[in-house]
Amino acid sequence: DAKTTQPTSMDCAEGRAANLPCNHSTISGNEYVYWYRQIHSQGPQYIIHGLKNNETNEMASLIITEDRKSSTLILPHATLRDTAVYYCIVRVAGAAGNKLTFGGGTRVLVKP
Amino acid sequence: AAGVIQSPRHLIKEKRETATLKCYPIPRHDTVYWYQQGPGQDPQFLISFYEKMQSDKGSIPDRFSAQQFSDYHSELNMSSLELGDSALYFCASSFGQEVLRAFFGQGTRLTVV
Repeated sequence: DAKTTQPTSMDCAEGRAANLPCNHSTISGNEYVYWYRQIHSQGPQYIIHGLKNNETNEMASLIITEDRKSSTLILPHATLRDTAVYYCIVRVAGAAGNKLTFGGGTRVLVKP
Repeated sequence: AAGVIQSPRHLIKEKRETATLKCYPIPRHDTVYWYQQGPGQDPQFLISFYEKMQSDKGSIPDRFSAQQFSDYHSELNMSSLELGDSALYFCASSFGQEVLRAFFGQGTRLTVV
């Protein structure tokens, strides 16, 4: 699976949009981009995923560049409960080795 | 909606003892994953099962074993416990192979003393 690079940490003001970047320059055509987050001591939580097109759900939006080498997770109106470690994960579709590998996430602190 | 259930939530064991952690996946999910998360660490993948067969294996010590039963619940067995095994252990489940939308349980906190 392709390696990803994220900022180590990021602060965000409550009520503002949080834009979390992720670089995945070695991504392959059959690899999805996933975002998960982990609030302190809780199990990781799925946020969103995408292949080529931008995606939006009730939690966030995912913007993938045309060359697919980077993406941005957007939390439209950050709340204090969005304070968490956010993981960008790239994983091939339908892989027999179907684990998610967590590492190098962004620690987001939402401030009042 | 039903979530992934893990038991027990907390467990205290002495060195060299054994521990068994249980995971009940979301109904109709066909894949179970186990992760270990030490203090201040990212979750580390241990092992996964797809349709009751081992699917992938990560950095799981030889002292650990796991299996998935006919009712799809899974158990992680840990023997000869060491102080370094103290961690949060997460189980997750998912359905299908194309997209990996995994749902995680609340975890079992194992403390080895």
